[in-house]
Amino acid sequence: EAGVVQSPRYKIIEKKQPVAFWCNPISGHNTLYWYLQNLGQGPELLIRYENEEAVDDSQLPKDRFSAERLKGVDSTLKIQPAELGDSAVYLCASSSWTSGDNEQFFGPGTRLTVL
Amino acid sequence: AQSVAQPEDQVNVAEGNPLTVKCTYSVSGNPYLFWYVQYPNRGLQFLLKYITGDNLVKGSYGFEAEFNKSQTSFHLKKPSALVSDSALYFCAVRDDAGGTSYGKLTFGQGTILTVHP
Repeated sequence: EAGVVQSPRYKIIEKKQPVAFWCNPISGHNTLYWYLQNLGQGPELLIRYENEEAVDDSQLPKDRFSAERLKGVDSTLKIQPAELGDSAVYLCASSSWTSGDNEQFFGPGTRLTVL
Repeated sequence: AQSVAQPEDQVNVAEGNPLTVKCTYSVSGNPYLFWYVQYPNRGLQFLLKYITGDNLVKGSYGFEAEFNKSQTSFHLKKPSALVSDSALYFCAVRDDAGGTSYGKLTFGQGTILTVHP
């Protein structure tokens, strides 16, 4: 079974430029999460989807961040415009309620560097 | 609000010796606790979880964790450390109190484990 796929793995951009990250969850997983991980810290949830609905986006900075999961499968996280402080690793995770305990499986992450 | 604390930024241990990585938590309801490991440039890998049942939970790669409700702790342990265990370890607690944050994982700051040959 394929794991959570993220692309790109690395991205370097200049400040004020837009950037997008893509995530393909494990097949059949209805819940998808985007996390932000700053260097030396634990991941922090940005947004959670149940199928195509964003059920928790309370920690997503909506002035510059947006996300979508149009068909309830793949998801895209966008930053426009990027700021220096956005340099971090962006992790995608997925889970399935059918497993009974909602264990989250993480992708390898996208490391963003804003210059 | 739930929270997790990992009081040690780094843990150093010699290969073959037992290791412990500490974690304490705070939740309003039942604690659902997890340990994840992260190797350089990799995503988080699940090690083990406590949902209910026995206080000693066994997981991947020979790791285990002991749930202690009175001390609100969930320390990660391994009887004999390997050099390949060197990595960043995260403890996490899941929000099961309901509402929009249901299922949300709150992570600790992480502990760097270094196992010396």
